[in-house]
Amino acid sequence: QKEVEQDPGPLSVPEGAIVSLNCTYSNSAFQYFMWYRQYSRKGPELLMYTYSSGNKEDGRFTAQVDKSSKYISLFIRDSQPSDSATYLCAMSRETSGSRLTFGEGTQLTVNP
Amino acid sequence: GAVVSQHPSWVICKSGTSVKIECRSLDFQATTMFWYRQFPKQSLMLMATSNEGSKATYEQGVEKDKFLINHASLTLSTLTVTSAHPEDSSFYICSARDAARGGGPYEQYFGPGTRLTVT
Repeated sequence: QKEVEQDPGPLSVPEGAIVSLNCTYSNSAFQYFMWYRQYSRKGPELLMYTYSSGNKEDGRFTAQVDKSSKYISLFIRDSQPSDSATYLCAMSRETSGSRLTFGEGTQLTVNP
Repeated sequence: GAVVSQHPSWVICKSGTSVKIECRSLDFQATTMFWYRQFPKQSLMLMATSNEGSKATYEQGVEKDKFLINHASLTLSTLTVTSAHPEDSSFYICSARDAARGGGPYEQYFGPGTRLTVT
């Protein structure tokens, strides 16, 4: 069983839609939860991070962590064609020396 | 700030040869660097962690004699794929972190990746 599970999609939505991306995990020691955006053949770019449980909002993006369910989400409001990319969740333990465990990534296309 | 570069961006080599990939932190000191491998439509898999001046720590299942990592300075780490085979063809990505700055694991910056094709 993978430590982090993410639906690979692909996910296709019309411009302006609300997008919901999700990951589940099995390791209860994870404390840091990150979302990265990766364009084709490029390195990942950090979008948001959350420590422990709770919500965090940054512009059109909202990250949620539910540690009791071992479930994290990223919401994108008013999605734009420029949001088309692969979105990766990543997690880390407090004592892992910053080692990241990634989900498989969800490929998102926002159609104009 | 916090820019990481990789060179080359794309390399083609013949089976049995070795190829070196460089990862540089351009505007900060990278006390720790990570090397990942990503196959098409798959996630990033951590291969190894290197701390400046120390031997790299490899993840389970990664052959340390095949993937040689050197982190001799605070701004440069290299990954050498020795005796490359077609199954080594992949996208190799590094990330760099300045542990002295503190912060969490999100405080690491990724390079643009190197596409390796072994023929």
